[in-house]
Amino acid sequence: AQSVTQLGSHVSVSEGALVLLRCNYSSSVPPYLFWYVQYPNQGLQLLLKYTSAATLVKGINGFEAEFKKSETSFHLTKPSAHMSDAAEYFCAVGKGGATNKLIFGTGTLLAVQP
Amino acid sequence: EAQVTQNPRYLITVTGKKLTVTCSQNMNHEYMSWYRQDPGLGLRQIYYSMNVEVTDKGDVPEGYKVSRKEKRNFPLILESPSPNQTSLYFCASSLSKGRLYNSPLHFGNGTRLTVT
Repeated sequence: AQSVTQLGSHVSVSEGALVLLRCNYSSSVPPYLFWYVQYPNQGLQLLLKYTSAATLVKGINGFEAEFKKSETSFHLTKPSAHMSDAAEYFCAVGKGGATNKLIFGTGTLLAVQP
Repeated sequence: EAQVTQNPRYLITVTGKKLTVTCSQNMNHEYMSWYRQDPGLGLRQIYYSMNVEVTDKGDVPEGYKVSRKEKRNFPLILESPSPNQTSLYFCASSLSKGRLYNSPLHFGNGTRLTVT
């Protein structure tokens, strides 16, 4: 069975500081991994996805994530936080290659302090 | 503008009173899905549809029904709502029938349902 674990339900950083949101996955098959962002009162928006083409994946708004098979991790980073990055972030794994189910983590709420 | 539209945004109802949450997409997407979001649990899939007249259960289908009579619409039906169905609901759609990684999910803005 596939699953994702997000460490830290709340993360607070200062504006301009590094953002690191952690995600570990469990999968018996090569995983497809995603990061989504949810701004207040909005639906989820795709930040980036890993589909085995490259281990370092760049997404929108300056975010990137690195797939590390040895650590079963797919952590999300951004070098310099901006106030507009305050949102909830969800890591997700695609269930198999032929099904259409995303299994979401429990989310990490990012706060950015001025 | 390409979008997934859910209605209503907020709904307060009482136990046992049937309700429908509508979802419509204007992107000609084949795949549509319903999720519920609860604190500490993330998003869990309720039902999904691969195409018109093709629906299947997700992880938490109990107490819900769906239908897919037209490609653009995928309503979520609660025949007899109960307080444990109080949640934030999201409809999502994507182009691909078989490979989610080729076509990202587009989400609606959510419906916050309270059942008293």
